[in-house]
Amino acid sequence: NAGVMQNPRHLVRRRGQEARLRCSPMKGHSHVYWYRQLPEEGLKFMVYLQKENIIDESGMPKERFSAEFPKEGPSILRIQQVVRGDSAAYFCASSPWLNRGQGNTEAFFGQGTRLTVV
Amino acid sequence: KQEVTQIPAALSVPEGENLVLNCSFTDSAIYNLQWFRQDPGKGLTSLLLIQSSQREQTSGRLNASLDKSSGRSTLYIAASQPGDSATYLCAVPNSGGYQKVTFGTGTKLQVIP
Repeated sequence: NAGVMQNPRHLVRRRGQEARLRCSPMKGHSHVYWYRQLPEEGLKFMVYLQKENIIDESGMPKERFSAEFPKEGPSILRIQQVVRGDSAAYFCASSPWLNRGQGNTEAFFGQGTRLTVV
Repeated sequence: KQEVTQIPAALSVPEGENLVLNCSFTDSAIYNLQWFRQDPGKGLTSLLLIQSSQREQTSGRLNASLDKSSGRSTLYIAASQPGDSATYLCAVPNSGGYQKVTFGTGTKLQVIP
């Protein structure tokens, strides 16, 4: 059972370009979470998605950032018109479906995508 | 809003020492607490998961304890080795029934040979 797969591992974009980060959750997991780690800062929650639905996007910047988790295929974090401040490591995590009130699952994280904006 | 703090922010110890990393959280209504390790420029490696009903969890030289009522967890590393050098993060999921995690500020550990 492969873990959470993120690609690319490293991504370089020029200012103004678009960045697309992909995350394939673990097999059987229907929940995906994106986190961002800015240089010398901690990991911050960005967005939580289930298949075809955004459940919690309270950590997403209001502009230029979007996320999707289609019925088929990986989850995509899209950053339009990137700026140097978007340079960070972006981590994806997945978890299986769980009833509200059940919190006994681990958070399984991918290896991250390191975005550098030049 | 959950806040997670780790003390110390950085720690340097000689090889072989036992050490304790501390984590505190403000909202004690947690389901579990997870400790991670992060090497420079790398991803997250899960070390230990403690359920809210547990007091401690052990894996090899690592032992993590949890005191929900006081909002604290500790990670104990026995007989430290240079390979233990990394940043250690504690993480707490929110109480909303899903794995939206709040991470601590991290403790950067250096074990000197």
